[in-house]
Amino acid sequence: DTGVSQNPRHKITKRGQNVTFRCDPISEHNRLYWYRQTLGQGPEFLTYFQNEAQLEKSRLLSDRFSAERPKGSFSTLEIQRTEQGDSAMYLCASSTYRETDTQYFGPGTRLTVL
Amino acid sequence: KQEVTQIPAALSVPEGENLVLNCSFTDSAIYNLQWFRQDPGKGLTSLLLIQSSQREQTSGRLNASLDKSSGRSTLYIAASQPGDSATYLCAVKEYGGSQGNLIFGKGTKLSVKP
Repeated sequence: DTGVSQNPRHKITKRGQNVTFRCDPISEHNRLYWYRQTLGQGPEFLTYFQNEAQLEKSRLLSDRFSAERPKGSFSTLEIQRTEQGDSAMYLCASSTYRETDTQYFGPGTRLTVL
Repeated sequence: KQEVTQIPAALSVPEGENLVLNCSFTDSAIYNLQWFRQDPGKGLTSLLLIQSSQREQTSGRLNASLDKSSGRSTLYIAASQPGDSATYLCAVKEYGGSQGNLIFGKGTKLSVKP
């Protein structure tokens, strides 16, 4: 069990560019979640997958955001045409399918949009 | 809509003090409540998970309680140390509605002075 990993750890981009983040969950976990955290706030849910199926998307996930988990293992989160308001920490978490189990978080990707 | 509130927003104590962090939530229909620690610029580390049927959980110098009927949880830290300085977040996982996500408070920023 190597924990949840995320890459890159930091990303600086110019407004209007596209960015993609990757999350590798704990290997036996079939649920994967994406959250966004801005300064001074708690994380806010964006979307989650059970295996390769994307089961829920928050209203925060505008049409510029897309997430995939093609083989039910790693996941990518892409933001198109980035805006300054997208600057945040993007956190990934994974868990088993059991509702009572904990979610394990990765170290996050810090996005700065100039 | 579930709302999670943490009081105080910030707390500064001298080393060695015992302290209590508070978390309240508006809807008692939850699977569990979880306390996390977050160091600056880092991801979340799970500290304690309390299932809805439990009253408290303990890990080392940490003790978390849950009173589901009143919508309250406390995190007690005994004999605080400078290494405990971090932001502490509580989160609930609720029944119905969104199946996967945690709902977080904004956190309590703790500073333990040597």
